Amino acid sequence: GAVVSQHPSWVICKSGTSVKIECRSLDFQATTMFWYRQFPKQSLMLMATSNEGSKATYEQGVEKDKFLINHASLTLSTLTVTSAHPEDSSFYICSAKGPNQPQHFGDGTRLSIL
Amino acid sequence: ELKVEQNPLFLSMQEGKNYTIYCNYSTTSDRLYWYRQDPGKSLESLFVLLSNGAVKQEGRLMASLDTKARLSTLHITAAVHDLSATYFCAVDLIQGAQKLVFGQGTRLTINP
Repeated sequence: GAVVSQHPSWVICKSGTSVKIECRSLDFQATTMFWYRQFPKQSLMLMATSNEGSKATYEQGVEKDKFLINHASLTLSTLTVTSAHPEDSSFYICSAKGPNQPQHFGDGTRLSIL
Repeated sequence: ELKVEQNPLFLSMQEGKNYTIYCNYSTTSDRLYWYRQDPGKSLESLFVLLSNGAVKQEGRLMASLDTKARLSTLHITAAVHDLSATYFCAVDLIQGAQKLVFGQGTRLTINP
């Protein structure tokens, strides 16, 4: 079955630093990748959609300059949280899909900003 | 704006009992997904429902879709403790593009 690898699974860092999260499709070409954020005991909220080779499309209320998304290849997308602050602490989940495929979710990254 | 609402949000039940989780959505869509999430984990895909009247079953779980009523149900039969988790339904915002909008989630606790 389709596998999506997300790394790191857990990161703790100081306020003001930038954190990069990687999302890789291991056995298929991901033409579209999605980034979600989930706060404790809440649902998933879509942050942005990225198509390979194109700029990401951000959802309303998501700061483009704070959450930098790059989808440079058909197997890799990255989310960089720039100048992270405690309110950015959350569970970040990526998903990837190829043509005519459902979304396949990564294992998530738990980000804690001190 | 597409809204997806689940009911109930919390459900505590005894092993061996049956129950149903409901998922209502506010606009036309013929593609609905059910996922399971364990604490601290990501999503596990349970069912993909692609058309009106679709019914899928896996073990003690059965999902159905009524696109005319904009309603999906997840039925649990003879619940066991291992089914304790949070269950999400999700609907395509733009058909085919799989821009998913999730329900609030139903936190299911099954007691021995």
